Amino acid sequence: EAQVTQNPRYLITVTGKKLTVTCSQNMNHEYMSWYRQDPGLGLRQIYYSMNVEVTDKGDVPEGYKVSRKEKRNFPLILESPSPNQTSLYFCASREGHEGNQPQHFGDGTRLSIL
Amino acid sequence: GQNIDQPTEMTATEGAIVQINCTYQTSGFNGLFWYQQHAGEAPTFLSYNVLDGLEEKGRFSSFLSRSKGYSYLLLKELQMKDSASYLCAVSPRSGGYQKVTFGTGTKLQVIP
Repeated sequence: EAQVTQNPRYLITVTGKKLTVTCSQNMNHEYMSWYRQDPGLGLRQIYYSMNVEVTDKGDVPEGYKVSRKEKRNFPLILESPSPNQTSLYFCASREGHEGNQPQHFGDGTRLSIL
Repeated sequence: GQNIDQPTEMTATEGAIVQINCTYQTSGFNGLFWYQQHAGEAPTFLSYNVLDGLEEKGRFSSFLSRSKGYSYLLLKELQMKDSASYLCAVSPRSGGYQKVTFGTGTKLQVIP
């Protein structure tokens, strides 16, 4: 089954404790992206990657890091989480670079930073 | 840049028809997506319009007017399971990396 898998689904942690949210897709997609979703603000892009070792900032990259060492994996790293990073996070992938292709989303990760 | 407007909430009755509007202002435009998102779940793709006009997919149809910067999603024969948020998203003109910009979504409540 074609899917995007995120882990963990839920996490409560404390300010400053480094965490990683993993994302993996089994569709051999080139493009992957991370979004955060907050009430009233919609989906906002954090980082994206057009292929292995190619990553770039989205609209709200501050406080986040990513890596793309393998095509299937695109982890999101919070080196020193803060309460304003409490949010619902989605990883997404699509086949290529063109924006006319639909994205496939993971089930989401709900992060609470205390 | 991109600016996308959708109503925040709508309520409709089971069995009825509802139209969810989306207006956009953009410096470059290729097409417009509609996604459905149930509470706490992932968005799922519904439609993508590039050309002006109405495209029908079963109970769901999507319309686009490029000259007016306007789209709508039409849901017919509403069912309780259609209660969800509906996100419109704009895809800029083709060529190079293309970032899709999402609206804030319209939360639809279907009541008996």
